[in-house]
Amino acid sequence: GENVEQHPSTLSVQEGDSAVIKCTYSDSASNYFPWYKQELGKRPQLIIDIRSNVGEKKDQRIAVTLNKTAKHFSLHITETQPEDSAVYFCAGTQGGKLIFGQGTELSVKP
Amino acid sequence: DTGVSQNPRHKITKRGQNVTFRCDPISEHNRLYWYRQTLGQGPEFLTYFQNEAQLEKSRLLSDRFSAERPKGSFSTLEIQRTEQGDSAMYLCASSYLDSIETQYFGPGTRLLVL
Repeated sequence: GENVEQHPSTLSVQEGDSAVIKCTYSDSASNYFPWYKQELGKRPQLIIDIRSNVGEKKDQRIAVTLNKTAKHFSLHITETQPEDSAVYFCAGTQGGKLIFGQGTELSVKP
Repeated sequence: DTGVSQNPRHKITKRGQNVTFRCDPISEHNRLYWYRQTLGQGPEFLTYFQNEAQLEKSRLLSDRFSAERPKGSFSTLEIQRTEQGDSAMYLCASSYLDSIETQYFGPGTRLLVL
């Protein structure tokens, strides 16, 4: 079955810097990779996703890249702001269900 | 609010008691999923429904857990004879049939078993 590994587990950056979170997956048949942001006590919120027929997708300050050969994908946040502070989860898919990574706690210091 | 809703938001119970949670998915979403999230971890899949049919259950879902989606709309998750290890956030998500992986989550029900 699918296994998703995520790192780092914690990441601290200064406001305005970039942040990068990386994930690897095991199932080469996986073709959809979402990223969720979860603030303390709140629901996971889908922020961006990518399908395996594209290598990169951008939405304002966030972007996701996918390397199918190496089976890894990354989330890039530019010009970080304090409101970006949250736990970020990557996920792969298996039969329609999501298989989540362990999460990265991002802290953006003003 | 047209998003996924869950009730109650918090539940405190004593070990051995039964609890039931409810999830109302986004209207017209065919698929409904239940996940469990413990502190510091990502959500883990429990089970999912397509309309009223329960199509898959995780090995995490012991015999004490049962889920229903009787009319293909809202769903309930019941835990019988709760144990302290059941303490977690129980999340519900829903998706359209033609985009099953694009799942939108509810706010969750946080369960504490004393």
